[in-house]
Amino acid sequence: AQKVTQAQTEISVVEKEDVTLDCVYETRDTTYYLFWYKQPPSGELVFLIRRNSFDEQNEISGRYSWNFQKSTSSFNFTITASQVVDSAVYFCALSLAGGTSYGKLTFGQGTILTVHP
Amino acid sequence: GAGVSQSPRYKVTKRGQDVALRCDPISGHVSLYWYRQALGQGPEFLTYFNYEAQQDKSGLPNDRFSAERPEGSISTLTIQRTEQRDSAMYRCASSLNPNTDTQYFGPGTRLTVL
Repeated sequence: AQKVTQAQTEISVVEKEDVTLDCVYETRDTTYYLFWYKQPPSGELVFLIRRNSFDEQNEISGRYSWNFQKSTSSFNFTITASQVVDSAVYFCALSLAGGTSYGKLTFGQGTILTVHP
Repeated sequence: GAGVSQSPRYKVTKRGQDVALRCDPISGHVSLYWYRQALGQGPEFLTYFNYEAQQDKSGLPNDRFSAERPEGSISTLTIQRTEQRDSAMYRCASSLNPNTDTQYFGPGTRLTVL
């Protein structure tokens, strides 16, 4: 069975600080996908990024960056120069690319990020 | 284009009543997924469809829960004889291709069972 752990339940920062959200996953499969979703106060789930298990290159998109390390089974998310609008619950998720469980997303518990002005 | 839509957005019902939750996926998306999200938790998988075929229903909690997607587009999740423990956010997602593509979520239906 797959498992995703987001050990940080809540993080509070002041605007313009950098913040890293941790995600650790468990799977026996060698082919899988990792995701980050954002749930703002309005409640919808917004897709941020998808990475496959064969691509360990770090990715940067504006103030967002992601660090994927298979050696530690981690897929961490960093927000640089945080803004109040970044306040949300962030979910890390995993899906398999084969077998009977493929396609299903397994989510972590989420990390509540609060950015204070 | 339009995203995934769900209706109703909020549903309050009394224990013992049946409810039907509707999901309209992004046009052309083959795969459709249902998840349930309790307060303070991440979404948990319930079931999914490729076209009209239900591929996996292993996440449905019990036989009071069922889902269908008869024409490969709109899907309905039905909960019979609702119980208070069924109260949660029910989320639908769709993806263009089966299994390996990104899932895009709808706004969810907040179900409250009194």
